[in-house]
Amino acid sequence: GENVEQHPSTLSVQEGDSAVIKCTYSDSASNYFPWYKQELGKRPQLIIDIRSNVGEKKDQRIAVTLNKTAKHFSLHITETQPEDSAVYFCAASTSGGSYIPTFGRGTSLIVHP
Amino acid sequence: GAVVSQHPSWVICKSGTSVKIECRSLDFQATTMFWYRQFPKQSLMLMATSNEGSKATYEQGVEKDKFLINHASLTLSTLTVTSAHPEDSSFYICSAREGAGTFALSQYFGPGTRLLVL
Repeated sequence: GENVEQHPSTLSVQEGDSAVIKCTYSDSASNYFPWYKQELGKRPQLIIDIRSNVGEKKDQRIAVTLNKTAKHFSLHITETQPEDSAVYFCAASTSGGSYIPTFGRGTSLIVHP
Repeated sequence: GAVVSQHPSWVICKSGTSVKIECRSLDFQATTMFWYRQFPKQSLMLMATSNEGSKATYEQGVEKDKFLINHASLTLSTLTVTSAHPEDSSFYICSAREGAGTFALSQYFGPGTRLLVL
């Protein structure tokens, strides 16, 4: 089955800096990669996703890149703000697996004002 | 749009009792619903996947007789923790997905239910 590794487990940055979270996956058939943000005590919320037919997707301060050859994808947050502080989860899924996602272990992002 | 509700938000029960948790998609029809368990500072552990009108598919290691899942309609799924024990104490989160093919892949999560078994 799919295995998703996520790094780092904790990331501390100053407000205004950029943050990068990286994930690798094992199943070369995976073709859908969502990212979720979970604030303390709240539900995970989808913030951006990418399909395997594109290499990069951007939404304001958030971008995701995908390298299918290397089987890794990354979340980039620019101009970080304190409200970006949360746990971020990457996930990978495949049509053969009914798009049931396998989640990474999460990255706790702390943005210091 | 794409709101998922979950009830109750928290429950405390005595060991040996059963607890039912409801998950509803409020503004869309959920062909697939997922139930997760999350321990503090850990990732989401998928327990089972349910499609409306079908039996749930449980992940390896999850006891189907312990965690009963019913997906009777396109907007409601329930998880019943039967004969709960302290080790079942956890945060249970459901999610719902509108589509099953290459479209509408996004999952929308409920707010979670915190279960404490005494």
